[in-house]
Amino acid sequence: NAGVTQTPKFRILKIGQSMTLQCTQDMNHNYMYWYRQDPGMGLKLIYYSVGAGITDKGEVPNGYNVSRSTTEDFPLRLELAAPSQTSVYFCASRSYAGTQPQHFGDGTRLSIL
Amino acid sequence: KNEVEQSPQNLTAQEGEFITINCSYSVGISALHWLQQHPGGGIVSLFMLSSGKKKHGRLIATINIQEKHSSLHITASHPRDSAVYICAVADGNKLVFGAGTILRVKS
Repeated sequence: NAGVTQTPKFRILKIGQSMTLQCTQDMNHNYMYWYRQDPGMGLKLIYYSVGAGITDKGEVPNGYNVSRSTTEDFPLRLELAAPSQTSVYFCASRSYAGTQPQHFGDGTRLSIL
Repeated sequence: KNEVEQSPQNLTAQEGEFITINCSYSVGISALHWLQQHPGGGIVSLFMLSSGKKKHGRLIATINIQEKHSSLHITASHPRDSAVYICAVADGNKLVFGAGTILRVKS
């Protein structure tokens, strides 16, 4: 029972490079979320999705893009990496049924140099 | 937008002590979550509550809807409880998170 799987776990990028952070869940959850976590700060929502084909911006969407072509997958794309995007990124999912807890992946630690 | 404040930011306790972490929020909510994050690790949900009190092992979570306040208690604390404890409140389909409380339990 994998839950929410994020890849890669660690990555170093150069300024201006692009990359995609992968997130997949096997719980058939409708809702999926991308957060970033900076030291001493609470988790900030980047983008979220309430189902396949539907995405919406969160609190800090600038510099990121997402897509949701399937229920299982919710990749996060960085087009032109900047040092300000150095952070730990978490993907999460939850069921549509009522008010349910979110299930988190193990995170991706990303450094932009 | 709901503002979520946690206190204290840092907490050091001796093994066996009773620990309380507080969370207050500014706007009425449908549910409040307590989460745990171990150093270098992922985030797990401990409790989700909308009223009253919940207990799981040595952990107890309470919420006072009128006062917009929740507490997380740990009884008989142990070094393995050392982690960041995060409060989050439901805002429609999203969560708004507090900055977290860093707990260190010394043996």
